[in-house]
Amino acid sequence: EPEVTQTPSHQVTQMGQEVILRCVPISNHLYFYWYRQILGQKVEFLVSFYNNEISEKSEIFDDQFSVERPDGSNFTLKIRSTKLEDSAMYFCASSPGRENSPLHFGNGTRLTVT
Amino acid sequence: GESVGLHLPTLSVQEGDNSIINCAYSNSASDYFIWYKQESGKGPQFIIDIRSNMDKRQGQRVTVLLNKTVTHLSLQIAATQPGDSAVYFCAENGFQKLVFGTGTRLLVSP
Repeated sequence: EPEVTQTPSHQVTQMGQEVILRCVPISNHLYFYWYRQILGQKVEFLVSFYNNEISEKSEIFDDQFSVERPDGSNFTLKIRSTKLEDSAMYFCASSPGRENSPLHFGNGTRLTVT
Repeated sequence: GESVGLHLPTLSVQEGDNSIINCAYSNSASDYFIWYKQESGKGPQFIIDIRSNMDKRQGQRVTVLLNKTVTHLSLQIAATQPGDSAVYFCAENGFQKLVFGTGTRLLVSP
């Protein structure tokens, strides 16, 4: 069964550094998402992406965040200048794009900002 | 604003029992709901979904019930097994994004 893959599984970075989290969505899916989950809390929406542009973003997704689909398979989340509070699990997801279809999630990247 | 929440943070059951996990949602206009299972160190895994034109849907050992009158959703797991131990989230899909509840941890003891 096709799955969403994310790399790296764990990223440690120093405050103020830039990080790029990478995802390979399911190949025939059209919508791509980033979510995050701070330890012990619920999964929070960050951004959705369709047709090479952001379709919706949350208040969390400020100017420090950006997303990109640099080629036909990868989908990336960049945090320009990381803060301690950016430490969380970051999940990539994709969906076929039909209304009322479930999102398929990767296993996440654990980002630790020190 | 939208909110999706859960009544109980932890549910402990014996292996073989039936489990019921509840969820309250506040957006009465939501028309699609999903249950996800999250095991430690993994991403949310799709279990079952239901559209608002239905009040019940069954899968393999799982049943989702939707009560639109009281904006309530439940997940029933039959003959709970140790492998069912995880955090369960309900979510509502507004097409462009998914809104998750806070989760219920299901603990299954042998």
